[in-house]
Amino acid sequence: GAGVSQSPSNKVTEKGKDVELRCDPISGHTALYWYRQSLGQGLEFLIYFQGNSAPDKSGLPSDRFSAERTGGSVSTLTIQRTQQEDSAVYLCASSAEGGSYEQYFGPGTRLTVT
Amino acid sequence: ILNVEQSPQSLHVQEGDSTNFTCSFPSSNFYALHWYRWETAKSPEALFVMTLNGDEKKKGRISATLNTKEGYSYLYIKGSQPEDSATYLCAAPGYSSASKIIFGSGTRLSIRP
Repeated sequence: GAGVSQSPSNKVTEKGKDVELRCDPISGHTALYWYRQSLGQGLEFLIYFQGNSAPDKSGLPSDRFSAERTGGSVSTLTIQRTQQEDSAVYLCASSAEGGSYEQYFGPGTRLTVT
Repeated sequence: ILNVEQSPQSLHVQEGDSTNFTCSFPSSNFYALHWYRWETAKSPEALFVMTLNGDEKKKGRISATLNTKEGYSYLYIKGSQPEDSATYLCAAPGYSSASKIIFGSGTRLSIRP
């Protein structure tokens, strides 16, 4: 079946512009995560959606970052007024429910802020 | 707050040798323990999700054990091959079975040919 998909695969933007990154999780998965990997760094948690519960936004690095999940499916991560330090690979993952189920990761979006 | 720790941070192993590394987690309120392999320029892929004390899982040359009472899991790789070079991550749910999973910082494994 179809896995987690993300778009775009690559995005180059100018400092100060807004960007939107999209994640399509596996159908039926209620849990959705956003992570990022900056150059040479590990996996950094950003935000977690689980069903109809309020999202866990504890990993968002600043108020320039926000995410939505519409209809319990597709999610969009928005970064406003991008900065060079936002350059990273942004990964989305979904799982059947919460933390007891394996995560399936998408291929990621490589964001470069010039 | 759940703290998942992994050791060592990095490991260099000769091709053909066997190796293992550790993930430790609080033994109270245990729900599950995940292992992922993360190859360079790729996305993490799940290896195992373990839920029962004493669980042992195997996939090819890779196996994992779980001790929930003392709060640790070992990942073993038998007869290391260059394609085993990757970062190995473990993770566990934070405070309930439905909460987000918390990742350790990983063990970076390099196999020398």
